[in-house]
Amino acid sequence: DVKVTQSSRYLVKRTGEKVFLECVQDMDHENMFWYRQDPGLGLRLIYFSYDVKMKEKGDIPEGYSVSREKKERFSLILESASTNQTSMYLCASSPGTSRSEQYFGPGTRLTVT
Amino acid sequence: AQTVTQSQPEMSVQEAETVTLSCTYDTSESDYYLFWYKQPPSRQMILVIRQEAYKQQNATENRFSVNFQKAAKSFSLKISDSQLGDAAMYFCAYTRNAGKSTFGDGTTLTVKP
Repeated sequence: DVKVTQSSRYLVKRTGEKVFLECVQDMDHENMFWYRQDPGLGLRLIYFSYDVKMKEKGDIPEGYSVSREKKERFSLILESASTNQTSMYLCASSPGTSRSEQYFGPGTRLTVT
Repeated sequence: AQTVTQSQPEMSVQEAETVTLSCTYDTSESDYYLFWYKQPPSRQMILVIRQEAYKQQNATENRFSVNFQKAAKSFSLKISDSQLGDAAMYFCAYTRNAGKSTFGDGTTLTVKP
């Protein structure tokens, strides 16, 4: 079974802090994704990576950056957390084909106070 | 840009009955994939069913089936013999480019005993 893990289920940070969310997958998938999930807004893509050190902006990249130094690990960085970044963050991975579904992690609920 | 619309924010169904969740999408492409994902409360999102656009036959997975109308750009999910464990948020997703997906806003399904 594919396993996607995220470093924290719940996280509370203060405004202005630098926040790291980490995601690890164990199935050698090329693609990895970071989404933000908010009520009534579905899943919005923040960043997408299709290979090590390769990244592509999604729909809402402002205020975020990412890092993919190893194939299995994809990190989301909030350079200076703000209260409007309070949300559920979902990581996913998939093989590099459109036919394949995405495999999701359990999510990190981030609260910025 | 592709858009995916789920017009029913909430649906409810009696246990053992049948329910249909709606999804429409907008694309000018002819080759793509459509997915339904299930997100149970506090649990990871998982794939329910997949449909290849080039296939005319509707996909079926046990109690779950789709009604894929390519010309109408419609992709509804039918759940037969609903069970309490079907209660979840359901997301429709369109995939075209190397695994990048566009998700709908989700439909929360309640199953009444």
